[in-house]
Amino acid sequence: GENVEQHPSTLSVQEGDSAVIKCTYSDSASNYFPWYKQELGKRPQLIIDIRSNVGEKKDQRIAVTLNKTAKHFSLHITETQPEDSAVYFCAASKDRSNYKLTFGKGTLLTVNP
Amino acid sequence: DGGITQSPKYLFRKEGQNVTLSCEQNLNHDAMYWYRQDPGQGLRLIYYSQIVNDFQKGDIAEGYSVSREKKESFPLTVTSAQKNPTAFYLCASSTDSRNTEAFFGQGTRLTVV
Repeated sequence: GENVEQHPSTLSVQEGDSAVIKCTYSDSASNYFPWYKQELGKRPQLIIDIRSNVGEKKDQRIAVTLNKTAKHFSLHITETQPEDSAVYFCAASKDRSNYKLTFGKGTLLTVNP
Repeated sequence: DGGITQSPKYLFRKEGQNVTLSCEQNLNHDAMYWYRQDPGQGLRLIYYSQIVNDFQKGDIAEGYSVSREKKESFPLTVTSAQKNPTAFYLCASSTDSRNTEAFFGQGTRLTVV
Protein backbone atom coordinates (compact mmCIF):
# COMPACT_ATOMS: atom_id res chain seq x y z
CA GLY A 1 0.00 0.00 0.00
CA GLU A 2 0.86 3.67 -0.05
CA ASN A 3 3.34 5.07 2.46
CA VAL A 4 3.69 8.80 3.08
CA GLU A 5 6.68 10.21 4.92
CA GLN A 6 6.53 13.77 6.26
CA HIS A 7 9.37 16.01 7.49
CA PRO A 8 10.08 17.74 9.74
CA SER A 9 7.93 16.60 12.64
CA THR A 10 8.29 20.01 14.30
CA LEU A 11 9.14 23.38 12.81
CA SER A 12 9.60 26.70 14.57
CA VAL A 13 9.90 29.97 12.64
CA GLN A 14 9.79 33.68 13.35
CA GLU A 15 6.79 35.64 12.24
CA GLY A 16 7.29 36.82 8.67
CA ASP A 17 9.66 33.99 7.75
CA SER A 18 8.82 31.21 5.31
CA ALA A 19 8.06 27.63 6.28
CA VAL A 20 8.50 24.52 4.15
CA ILE A 21 7.15 21.04 4.90
CA LYS A 22 8.12 18.10 2.71
CA CYS A 23 6.44 14.78 1.99
CA THR A 24 7.42 11.74 -0.02
CA TYR A 25 5.12 8.99 -1.23
CA SER A 26 5.79 5.44 -2.36
CA ASP A 27 3.02 4.56 -4.82
CA SER A 28 3.66 6.01 -8.27
CA ALA A 29 -0.06 5.58 -9.04
CA SER A 30 -1.02 8.21 -6.45
CA ASN A 31 -2.27 11.32 -8.17
CA TYR A 32 -4.03 13.47 -5.58
CA PHE A 33 -2.13 15.28 -2.82
CA PRO A 34 -4.03 17.40 -0.29
CA TRP A 35 -2.72 19.30 2.71
CA TYR A 36 -4.76 19.63 5.90
CA LYS A 37 -4.32 22.05 8.78
CA GLN A 38 -5.40 21.10 12.29
CA GLU A 39 -5.45 23.76 14.95
CA LEU A 40 -5.28 22.68 18.56
CA GLY A 41 -8.50 20.93 19.58
CA LYS A 42 -10.12 21.38 16.19
CA ARG A 43 -10.88 19.26 13.16
CA PRO A 44 -8.47 18.98 10.20
CA GLN A 45 -9.39 21.28 7.34
CA LEU A 46 -8.21 21.26 3.75
CA ILE A 47 -5.98 24.22 2.92
CA ILE A 48 -4.71 23.31 -0.53
CA ASP A 49 -4.47 20.31 -2.83
CA ILE A 50 -2.73 19.40 -6.05
CA ARG A 51 -3.29 16.78 -8.70
CA SER A 52 -0.58 15.01 -10.61
CA ASN A 53 -1.21 16.83 -13.86
CA VAL A 54 0.24 20.09 -12.45
CA GLY A 55 3.57 20.87 -10.83
CA GLU A 56 2.65 23.82 -8.67
CA LYS A 57 -0.41 25.49 -7.18
CA LYS A 58 -0.63 28.71 -5.22
CA ASP A 59 -3.28 30.28 -3.03
CA GLN A 60 -2.24 33.60 -1.49
CA ARG A 61 0.55 32.82 1.02
CA ILE A 62 0.33 29.06 0.53
CA ALA A 63 1.81 27.04 -2.32
CA VAL A 64 2.31 23.37 -3.03
CA THR A 65 4.84 21.87 -5.44
CA LEU A 66 4.87 18.35 -6.81
CA ASN A 67 7.74 16.37 -8.32
CA LYS A 68 6.25 13.16 -9.73
CA THR A 69 9.60 11.78 -10.83
CA ALA A 70 11.04 12.02 -7.34
CA LYS A 71 7.66 11.25 -5.73
CA HIS A 72 7.70 14.17 -3.36
CA PHE A 73 5.58 17.23 -2.74
CA SER A 74 6.02 20.23 -0.49
CA LEU A 75 3.98 22.89 1.27
CA HIS A 76 5.34 26.42 1.28
CA ILE A 77 3.96 29.11 3.58
CA THR A 78 5.32 32.62 3.09
CA GLU A 79 5.08 35.60 5.45
CA THR A 80 4.07 33.36 8.31
CA GLN A 81 1.72 34.67 10.99
CA PRO A 82 1.00 33.39 14.52
CA GLU A 83 -2.37 32.06 13.34
CA ASP A 84 -0.49 29.72 10.99
CA SER A 85 0.60 27.79 14.09
CA ALA A 86 -0.99 24.33 13.83
CA VAL A 87 -0.31 20.74 12.84
CA TYR A 88 -0.11 20.24 9.09
CA PHE A 89 -0.76 16.89 7.43
CA CYS A 90 0.06 15.87 3.90
CA ALA A 91 -1.79 13.00 2.24
CA ALA A 92 -1.88 11.00 -0.96
CA SER A 93 -4.45 8.91 -2.78
CA LYS A 94 -5.22 7.35 -6.13
CA ASP A 95 -8.12 8.35 -8.27
CA ARG A 96 -10.78 5.95 -9.51
CA SER A 97 -9.63 2.66 -8.05
CA ASN A 98 -9.12 3.64 -4.45
CA TYR A 99 -9.55 7.15 -3.20
CA LYS A 100 -8.88 6.67 0.48
CA LEU A 101 -6.27 9.05 1.81
CA THR A 102 -2.97 7.96 3.33
CA PHE A 103 -1.69 10.65 5.70
CA GLY A 104 1.76 11.64 6.81
CA LYS A 105 2.45 11.83 10.54
CA GLY A 106 2.10 15.57 10.68
CA THR A 107 4.27 18.64 11.28
CA LEU A 108 3.76 20.90 14.28
CA LEU A 109 4.43 24.42 13.03
CA THR A 110 5.00 27.14 15.60
CA VAL A 111 5.21 30.75 14.47
CA ASN A 112 6.83 32.93 17.10
CA PRO A 113 5.74 36.59 17.28
CA ASP B 1 -21.28 23.15 12.21
CA GLY B 2 -19.62 21.87 9.04
CA GLY B 3 -22.37 19.36 8.21
CA ILE B 4 -20.72 16.37 9.86
CA THR B 5 -21.37 15.68 13.52
CA GLN B 6 -19.65 13.29 15.88
CA SER B 7 -20.93 12.40 19.30
CA PRO B 8 -20.06 12.29 22.05
CA LYS B 9 -17.06 14.61 22.24
CA TYR B 10 -15.60 12.72 25.19
CA LEU B 11 -16.22 9.08 26.03
CA PHE B 12 -14.98 6.92 28.85
CA ARG B 13 -15.08 3.15 28.68
CA LYS B 14 -14.24 0.43 31.08
CA GLU B 15 -11.93 -2.31 29.92
CA GLY B 16 -13.81 -5.18 28.32
CA GLN B 17 -16.75 -3.08 27.17
CA ASN B 18 -17.80 -2.30 23.63
CA VAL B 19 -18.59 1.31 22.79
CA THR B 20 -20.14 2.93 19.73
CA LEU B 21 -19.12 6.31 18.32
CA SER B 22 -21.68 8.20 16.29
CA CYS B 23 -21.06 10.01 12.99
CA GLU B 24 -23.81 11.77 11.08
CA GLN B 25 -23.55 13.97 7.98
CA ASN B 26 -26.11 16.07 6.14
CA LEU B 27 -23.86 16.90 3.19
CA ASN B 28 -25.33 14.16 0.97
CA HIS B 29 -21.87 12.63 0.69
CA ASP B 30 -21.53 9.09 -0.60
CA ALA B 31 -18.20 8.27 1.05
CA MET B 32 -17.50 8.18 4.76
CA TYR B 33 -14.36 7.33 6.73
CA TRP B 34 -13.12 6.65 10.24
CA TYR B 35 -9.61 7.66 11.25
CA ARG B 36 -7.73 7.22 14.47
CA GLN B 37 -5.32 9.92 15.59
CA ASP B 38 -2.55 9.25 18.10
CA PRO B 39 0.21 11.71 19.04
CA GLY B 40 3.00 11.60 16.47
CA GLN B 41 1.17 9.02 14.36
CA GLY B 42 -0.89 11.15 12.03
CA LEU B 43 -4.28 9.90 10.91
CA ARG B 44 -4.66 6.19 10.32
CA LEU B 45 -7.62 4.77 8.42
CA ILE B 46 -9.82 2.30 10.29
CA TYR B 47 -12.74 1.72 7.91
CA TYR B 48 -14.29 3.45 4.94
CA SER B 49 -17.52 3.21 3.02
CA GLN B 50 -18.13 4.31 -0.54
CA ILE B 51 -21.84 3.57 -0.60
CA VAL B 52 -24.70 2.47 1.62
CA ASN B 53 -24.51 -1.16 2.79
CA ASP B 54 -20.89 -1.46 1.74
CA PHE B 55 -17.64 -0.81 3.62
CA GLN B 56 -13.99 -1.84 3.51
CA LYS B 57 -11.25 -2.30 6.06
CA GLY B 58 -8.59 0.33 6.31
CA ASP B 59 -5.07 -0.05 7.64
CA ILE B 60 -5.95 -0.69 11.30
CA ALA B 61 -9.39 -2.36 11.31
CA GLU B 62 -8.68 -5.04 13.92
CA GLY B 63 -10.86 -4.59 17.01
CA TYR B 64 -13.30 -2.26 15.25
CA SER B 65 -16.58 -2.73 13.40
CA VAL B 66 -18.83 -0.43 11.38
CA SER B 67 -22.18 -0.37 9.63
CA ARG B 68 -23.59 1.78 6.84
CA GLU B 69 -27.33 1.26 6.83
CA LYS B 70 -28.09 4.85 5.93
CA LYS B 71 -26.24 7.31 3.72
CA GLU B 72 -26.13 9.86 6.54
CA SER B 73 -24.74 7.60 9.25
CA PHE B 74 -21.54 5.62 9.74
CA PRO B 75 -21.20 4.47 13.38
CA LEU B 76 -17.97 2.93 14.65
CA THR B 77 -17.93 0.29 17.37
CA VAL B 78 -14.76 -0.13 19.37
CA THR B 79 -14.85 -3.69 20.65
CA SER B 80 -13.15 -5.27 23.62
CA ALA B 81 -10.77 -6.91 21.13
CA GLN B 82 -9.10 -3.55 20.45
CA LYS B 83 -6.04 -3.72 22.67
CA ASN B 84 -5.25 -0.04 22.86
CA PRO B 85 -8.46 1.90 22.23
CA THR B 86 -7.58 5.16 23.98
CA ALA B 87 -7.26 7.69 21.14
CA PHE B 88 -8.87 10.54 19.27
CA TYR B 89 -11.30 9.32 16.60
CA LEU B 90 -12.18 11.37 13.55
CA CYS B 91 -15.00 10.73 11.10
CA ALA B 92 -14.92 12.25 7.62
CA SER B 93 -16.98 12.31 4.45
CA SER B 94 -16.49 13.25 0.82
CA THR B 95 -18.68 13.51 -2.25
CA ASP B 96 -17.54 10.68 -4.49
CA SER B 97 -14.59 8.66 -5.70
CA ARG B 98 -12.93 11.43 -7.68
CA ASN B 99 -10.71 12.77 -4.91
CA THR B 100 -12.58 15.71 -3.54
CA GLU B 101 -12.17 17.42 -0.20
CA ALA B 102 -12.74 15.29 2.88
CA PHE B 103 -14.77 17.08 5.56
CA PHE B 104 -14.01 16.06 9.12
CA GLY B 105 -16.13 15.97 12.22
CA GLN B 106 -14.97 17.48 15.52
CA GLY B 107 -13.77 14.14 16.79
CA THR B 108 -14.42 11.91 19.79
CA ARG B 109 -11.79 11.40 22.45
CA LEU B 110 -12.13 7.88 23.85
CA THR B 111 -10.45 7.00 27.12
CA VAL B 112 -10.39 3.54 28.61
CA VAL B 113 -10.49 3.61 32.40
